[in-house]
Order: sequence, then structure tokens, then C-alpha cells
Amino acid sequence: EAGVTQFPSHSVIEKGQTVTLRCDPISGHDNLYWYRRVMGKEIKFLLHFVKESKQDESGMPNNRFLAERTGGTYSTLKVQPAELEDSGVYFCASSQVTSLDTQYFGPGTRLTVL
Amino acid sequence: EDQVTQSPEALRLQEGESSSLNCSYTVSGLRGLFWYRQDPGKGPEFLFTLYSAGEEKEKERLKATLTKKESFLHITAPKPEDSATYLCAVPPASSGSRLTFGEGTQLTVNP
Repeated sequence: EAGVTQFPSHSVIEKGQTVTLRCDPISGHDNLYWYRRVMGKEIKFLLHFVKESKQDESGMPNNRFLAERTGGTYSTLKVQPAELEDSGVYFCASSQVTSLDTQYFGPGTRLTVL
Repeated sequence: EDQVTQSPEALRLQEGESSSLNCSYTVSGLRGLFWYRQDPGKGPEFLFTLYSAGEEKEKERLKATLTKKESFLHITAPKPEDSATYLCAVPPASSGSRLTFGEGTQLTVNP
């Protein structure tokens, strides 16, 4: 069974540019999560989808971040315009059911904003 | 706000030298605690879920335990391939499934 996949693995952009990250969850997993780890800090929650609906957006830092999950399959996270402090590793995770089900993580996208 | 603190930040062991990693949490009403392993350049890999104080789970050289205030990850006779960052995480007390992570313990096992 394929795991969670993320694209791209690395992205280097200039401040002010736009970047779109993609996550493909494990097939059949209705729950999809975005997290990020900035340098020297712990992994922090961004948001949670149940199918195509946003269940919890409490971790989204500001309105420069837009997450979508059309059709309840893959998800995209767009940063527009990117700022220096957006640099970090963005992880996607998926789980079959909500509550305390195990979240399986993808390999992450390393974003560098110059 | 939920908080998770892991100690030590880094730990160096010789192969075969057993030790324990600590994860303390401040959650009013723990619903579960997750342990993950993360290798450089990869995403967290699930190890264990503990649900209640007194619970223990084992996998190869790893054993996770849970009390009302903290969890321990015991590593018995570690091997170099156990070198990784070990993360613990908790969900919110009331409802929801977002995880609050600790900063992790970076374990290095020397041959």
C-alpha cells in the first residue's frame, strides 16, 4: 500500500513569490492534516480536512496560506506571497478515521524562501 | 494550551547501552499519547499509541510506558540503526485530532 506522498520534495523561492505544495494521502483516508516544522522548533499543526471540508484551521498562521482539498482526495497548500519566516518543512499526514486514529506522515516538502 | 516537553534534547549511547527518553505533558485529560521516530530527511514514522496510565507497549528494542504526567521510551541494548529523532505528541483534551508535538530527542547510537 502506498504511503502519503508529497510534491515537491524541495522548493526554493524568492520572497514575494507563490508556491503550491501538494499532498496525496493514503487511499481511503478521509482525514488529511498539514503540519510544519520551522528551524529549531517543534512540528506544529496547521489544519485538518475531513474529506473536502476544513475541520480545524486553528493552526493556519495568516491569510497568506490557502489550503484546498477538492473532491476529498489530494490537497494543496498555497503560500502567497511567501515571506522569509515561511521557510521550513511542511508535512502532510492522513488517517482513516478522526479522533485518536494513527496519523501517517509523508516525507515532507522543504521550503526555502530567500 | 497543551504542552509537550521532551528530554534530553540529545542523547549519545554506545551500542548495547540501555537508556530512557522522557516525554512530559500538560493536558487536562489525556486521551492518548503517540510516539514517532523520525530519520533525517523523512517524515515521522509511527511507533506506538498509549491511551491510559499504566499502559505499556513494546516493539523490538523499544518499550513505551505511560503515567499520569509523563511517558517514557525505554531503549534496551540499542543498535546503531536505532539512531533517529524520537518524537512524542498528544491530541487535545476535549475533542479533535490535531497533534501537539514535543521538540524531540535526537538519539545517536555509536557502534
